[in-house]
Amino acid sequence: NAGVTQTPKFQVLKTGQSMTLQCAQDMNHNSMYWYRQDPGMGLRLIYYSASEGTTDKGEVPNGYNVSRLNKREFSLRLESAAPSQTSVYFCASTRQPNTGELFFGEGSRLTVL
Amino acid sequence: ILNVEQSPQSLHVQEGDSTNFTCSFPSSNFYALHWYRWETAKSPEALFVMTLNGDEKKKGRISATLNTKEGYSYLYIKGSQPEDSATYLCAFPPPNGAAGNKLTFGGGTRVLVKP
Repeated sequence: NAGVTQTPKFQVLKTGQSMTLQCAQDMNHNSMYWYRQDPGMGLRLIYYSASEGTTDKGEVPNGYNVSRLNKREFSLRLESAAPSQTSVYFCASTRQPNTGELFFGEGSRLTVL
Repeated sequence: ILNVEQSPQSLHVQEGDSTNFTCSFPSSNFYALHWYRWETAKSPEALFVMTLNGDEKKKGRISATLNTKEGYSYLYIKGSQPEDSATYLCAFPPPNGAAGNKLTFGGGTRVLVKP
């Protein structure tokens, strides 16, 4: 049972390069999320998708775009990477918003030089 | 942005000792409170989702209580073991469950259990 799968696990980019983080879940969850984790800052929500076809901004959306490709997949794109986007990114999903537990992927460590 | 605070930030516990720590959250329009356990180099895993004032939940040696009127939850670890070493996060959805599970996470309590 794969749960939530993220790729890539590690990536190094130069400032200005673009990349997409992929996330897929096999639990038939409606809601999916992208968080970033920085030292001393905890987990902060970047974007979320309450259901297929909808996306909405979280706490720190600037510099990112998302696509909810279908019910399974939710991608996060950095169009022009900046050093401030160096972070660990986590994708998560849940069956029931607010009262349902989040299931997290293993994380993607991104370094922007 | 909701204010979710956890204390202490870190905790050293001797193996076999019990410990507890706190999550504070806005008490008005409470909807739910989540607890997650996050081991180093792994992803967070859900421990509990609590919704009722006075609720107590237990998983093995870990338990949690909830006071929605005063806005806090305690997480207890009984007879700590080295494998309990992790960061424990609490998270709080928007009041009345608005806006689809935009959970606000606390900064976490990092627990280190010494053999």
